[in-house]
Amino acid sequence: KAGVTQTPRYLIKTRGQQVTLSCSPISGHRSVSWYQQTPGQGLQFLFEYFSETQRNKGNFPGRFSGRQFSNSRSEMNVSTLELGDSALYLCASSLGSRGGSYNEQFFGPGTRLTVL
Amino acid sequence: EDQVTQSPEALRLQEGESSSLNCSYTVSGLRGLFWYRQDPGKGPEFLFTLYSAGEEKEKERLKATLTKKESFLHITAPKPEDSATYLCAVRPGTYKYIFGTGTRLKVLA
Repeated sequence: KAGVTQTPRYLIKTRGQQVTLSCSPISGHRSVSWYQQTPGQGLQFLFEYFSETQRNKGNFPGRFSGRQFSNSRSEMNVSTLELGDSALYLCASSLGSRGGSYNEQFFGPGTRLTVL
Repeated sequence: EDQVTQSPEALRLQEGESSSLNCSYTVSGLRGLFWYRQDPGKGPEFLFTLYSAGEEKEKERLKATLTKKESFLHITAPKPEDSATYLCAVRPGTYKYIFGTGTRLKVLA
Protein backbone atom coordinates (compact mmCIF):
# COMPACT_ATOMS: atom_id res chain seq x y z
CA LYS A 1 0.00 0.00 0.00
CA ALA A 2 1.53 3.30 -1.07
CA GLY A 3 2.23 5.86 1.62
CA VAL A 4 1.54 9.57 1.69
CA THR A 5 3.26 11.40 -1.14
CA GLN A 6 4.13 15.07 -1.30
CA THR A 7 5.31 17.15 -4.22
CA PRO A 8 7.59 18.85 -4.77
CA ARG A 9 10.15 17.64 -2.24
CA TYR A 10 12.21 20.82 -2.40
CA LEU A 11 11.31 24.35 -3.39
CA ILE A 12 13.18 27.65 -3.46
CA LYS A 13 11.19 30.86 -3.75
CA THR A 14 11.78 34.56 -3.17
CA ARG A 15 9.91 36.89 -0.87
CA GLY A 16 6.56 38.03 -2.21
CA GLN A 17 6.02 35.01 -4.42
CA GLN A 18 3.37 32.40 -3.82
CA VAL A 19 3.68 28.63 -3.66
CA THR A 20 1.40 25.60 -3.94
CA LEU A 21 2.25 22.28 -2.31
CA SER A 22 0.51 19.01 -3.06
CA CYS A 23 -0.31 15.97 -0.96
CA SER A 24 -1.74 12.59 -1.97
CA PRO A 25 -3.01 10.62 1.03
CA ILE A 26 -2.97 6.88 1.57
CA SER A 27 -5.67 5.19 -0.48
CA GLY A 28 -8.93 5.16 1.48
CA HIS A 29 -7.90 7.94 3.84
CA ARG A 30 -10.30 10.88 3.81
CA SER A 31 -8.61 13.21 6.27
CA VAL A 32 -5.57 15.30 5.42
CA SER A 33 -3.77 17.57 7.86
CA TRP A 34 -0.98 20.03 7.14
CA TYR A 35 1.83 21.04 9.50
CA GLN A 36 4.72 23.47 9.45
CA GLN A 37 7.90 22.24 11.11
CA THR A 38 10.74 24.57 12.08
CA PRO A 39 13.67 23.96 14.45
CA GLY A 40 12.42 26.53 16.93
CA GLN A 41 8.68 25.82 16.95
CA GLY A 42 8.44 22.13 16.23
CA LEU A 43 5.34 20.83 14.44
CA GLN A 44 2.64 23.48 14.19
CA PHE A 45 -0.84 22.54 12.98
CA LEU A 46 -2.03 24.47 9.93
CA PHE A 47 -5.39 22.93 9.01
CA GLU A 48 -7.27 19.69 8.55
CA TYR A 49 -9.58 18.67 5.74
CA PHE A 50 -12.11 15.86 5.66
CA SER A 51 -14.29 15.12 2.66
CA GLU A 52 -13.39 18.45 1.04
CA THR A 53 -14.32 20.46 4.16
CA GLN A 54 -11.93 22.28 6.45
CA ARG A 55 -12.68 20.99 9.95
CA ASN A 56 -10.12 22.97 11.92
CA LYS A 57 -7.49 25.62 11.44
CA GLY A 58 -4.38 26.54 13.40
CA ASN A 59 -3.12 30.00 14.30
CA PHE A 60 -1.61 31.02 11.00
CA PRO A 61 -2.29 34.15 8.94
CA GLY A 62 -4.72 34.13 6.05
CA ARG A 63 -1.79 33.87 3.61
CA PHE A 64 -1.91 30.16 4.35
CA SER A 65 -4.81 28.38 2.72
CA GLY A 66 -5.70 24.92 1.57
CA ARG A 67 -8.23 22.80 -0.16
CA GLN A 68 -9.12 19.17 -0.65
CA PHE A 69 -10.42 17.53 -3.78
CA SER A 70 -13.04 14.81 -4.18
CA ASN A 71 -10.30 12.16 -4.47
CA SER A 72 -8.95 13.33 -1.05
CA ARG A 73 -5.81 14.84 -2.56
CA SER A 74 -5.00 18.15 -0.94
CA GLU A 75 -3.11 21.31 -1.76
CA MET A 76 -1.91 24.12 0.43
CA ASN A 77 -1.05 27.57 -0.81
CA VAL A 78 1.07 30.26 0.74
CA SER A 79 0.80 33.71 -0.80
CA THR A 80 3.16 36.66 -0.40
CA LEU A 81 5.97 34.54 0.98
CA GLU A 82 8.06 35.84 3.87
CA LEU A 83 11.51 34.73 5.00
CA GLY A 84 9.92 33.19 8.11
CA ASP A 85 7.89 30.81 5.96
CA SER A 86 11.02 28.75 5.32
CA ALA A 87 10.23 25.38 6.85
CA LEU A 88 9.46 21.73 6.27
CA TYR A 89 5.78 21.40 5.35
CA LEU A 90 4.33 18.04 6.28
CA CYS A 91 1.13 16.43 5.22
CA ALA A 92 -0.51 13.62 7.19
CA SER A 93 -3.46 11.43 6.33
CA SER A 94 -5.83 9.35 8.39
CA LEU A 95 -9.11 7.53 7.92
CA GLY A 96 -10.54 10.50 9.74
CA SER A 97 -14.03 9.60 10.83
CA ARG A 98 -15.24 8.05 14.06
CA GLY A 99 -12.60 7.41 16.71
CA GLY A 100 -10.03 4.81 17.61
CA SER A 101 -7.52 3.85 14.96
CA TYR A 102 -9.28 6.16 12.51
CA ASN A 103 -7.37 8.99 14.17
CA GLU A 104 -3.91 7.55 13.51
CA GLN A 105 -2.01 9.87 11.22
CA PHE A 106 0.61 8.83 8.70
CA PHE A 107 3.02 11.43 7.42
CA GLY A 108 4.54 12.11 4.05
CA PRO A 109 8.23 12.98 3.58
CA GLY A 110 7.51 16.71 3.53
CA THR A 111 8.28 19.62 1.22
CA ARG A 112 11.32 21.66 2.19
CA LEU A 113 10.52 25.30 1.33
CA THR A 114 13.28 27.88 1.33
CA VAL A 115 12.36 31.54 0.95
CA LEU A 116 15.17 33.87 -0.11
CA GLU B 1 -5.26 25.70 26.94
CA ASP B 2 -4.30 22.35 25.42
CA GLN B 3 -0.60 21.71 25.87
CA VAL B 4 2.05 19.00 25.43
CA THR B 5 5.49 19.07 27.07
CA GLN B 6 8.22 16.55 26.37
CA SER B 7 11.31 15.90 28.47
CA PRO B 8 14.20 15.72 28.31
CA GLU B 9 14.91 17.80 25.21
CA ALA B 10 17.92 15.66 24.41
CA LEU B 11 19.23 12.35 25.74
CA ARG B 12 22.47 10.50 25.14
CA LEU B 13 22.60 6.81 26.03
CA GLN B 14 25.18 4.11 25.72
CA GLU B 15 24.09 1.09 23.72
CA GLY B 16 22.16 -1.19 26.06
CA GLU B 17 21.42 1.56 28.61
CA SER B 18 17.63 1.61 29.11
CA SER B 19 15.76 4.85 29.77
CA SER B 20 12.39 6.59 29.50
CA LEU B 21 11.10 9.63 27.66
CA ASN B 22 8.29 11.69 29.16
CA CYS B 23 5.28 13.39 27.58
CA SER B 24 3.09 15.49 29.89
CA TYR B 25 -0.19 16.80 28.58
CA THR B 26 -3.10 19.05 29.45
CA VAL B 27 -6.05 18.64 27.15
CA SER B 28 -9.80 18.83 27.26
CA GLY B 29 -11.24 15.50 26.26
CA LEU B 30 -8.33 13.32 25.18
CA ARG B 31 -9.14 11.35 22.06
CA GLY B 32 -5.78 9.70 21.70
CA LEU B 33 -2.08 10.12 22.51
CA PHE B 34 0.35 9.30 19.72
CA TRP B 35 4.07 8.58 19.60
CA TYR B 36 6.16 9.13 16.49
CA ARG B 37 9.78 8.68 15.54
CA GLN B 38 11.38 11.20 13.19
CA ASP B 39 14.71 10.81 11.43
CA PRO B 40 16.51 13.89 10.08
CA GLY B 41 14.99 15.23 6.86
CA LYS B 42 12.06 12.79 6.96
CA GLY B 43 8.44 12.85 8.01
CA PRO B 44 7.43 11.40 11.38
CA GLU B 45 6.89 7.65 11.48
CA PHE B 46 3.90 6.41 13.46
CA LEU B 47 4.75 4.20 16.47
CA PHE B 48 1.83 3.92 18.93
CA THR B 49 -1.59 5.19 19.86
CA LEU B 50 -2.87 5.11 23.46
CA TYR B 51 -6.43 5.95 24.38
CA SER B 52 -6.99 5.43 28.08
CA ALA B 53 -5.06 5.54 31.34
CA GLY B 54 -3.40 2.24 32.13
CA GLU B 55 -3.01 1.26 28.51
CA GLU B 56 0.37 -0.08 27.34
CA LYS B 57 1.75 -0.96 23.90
CA GLU B 58 5.01 -2.54 22.84
CA LYS B 59 7.05 -2.77 19.68
CA GLU B 60 10.50 -4.33 19.69
CA ARG B 61 12.57 -2.34 22.22
CA LEU B 62 9.89 0.32 22.74
CA LYS B 63 7.04 0.34 25.24
CA ALA B 64 4.55 3.17 25.64
CA THR B 65 2.40 3.72 28.72
CA LEU B 66 -0.32 6.23 29.57
CA THR B 67 -1.64 7.84 32.75
CA LYS B 68 -4.19 10.63 33.12
CA LYS B 69 -1.50 13.30 32.96
CA GLU B 70 1.45 11.82 31.09
CA SER B 71 2.85 9.14 28.85
CA PHE B 72 6.20 7.42 28.94
CA LEU B 73 8.15 5.85 26.11
CA HIS B 74 10.45 3.25 27.60
CA ILE B 75 13.45 2.16 25.54
CA THR B 76 14.96 -1.13 26.62
CA ALA B 77 18.56 -1.97 25.67
CA PRO B 78 18.68 0.64 22.88
CA LYS B 79 20.83 0.29 19.79
CA PRO B 80 22.44 3.04 17.69
CA GLU B 81 19.67 2.67 15.10
CA ASP B 82 17.17 3.86 17.72
CA SER B 83 18.77 7.32 17.49
CA ALA B 84 16.07 9.75 16.32
CA THR B 85 13.74 12.44 17.56
CA TYR B 86 10.70 11.02 19.35
CA LEU B 87 7.55 13.10 19.15
CA CYS B 88 4.44 12.92 21.27
CA ALA B 89 1.09 14.29 20.10
CA VAL B 90 -2.40 14.48 21.56
CA ARG B 91 -5.78 14.81 19.93
CA PRO B 92 -8.19 16.79 22.08
CA GLY B 93 -11.90 16.92 21.43
CA THR B 94 -11.38 18.96 18.29
CA TYR B 95 -10.19 18.04 14.83
CA LYS B 96 -6.52 18.78 15.36
CA TYR B 97 -3.40 17.32 16.87
CA ILE B 98 -1.01 19.09 19.25
CA PHE B 99 2.62 18.03 19.13
CA GLY B 100 5.36 18.35 21.70
CA THR B 101 8.75 19.64 20.61
CA GLY B 102 10.28 16.18 20.87
CA THR B 103 13.17 14.40 22.56
CA ARG B 104 16.35 14.00 20.52
CA LEU B 105 17.79 10.60 21.36
CA LYS B 106 21.38 9.64 20.56
CA VAL B 107 22.50 6.09 21.27
CA LEU B 108 26.25 5.59 21.27
CA ALA B 109 27.86 2.30 20.24
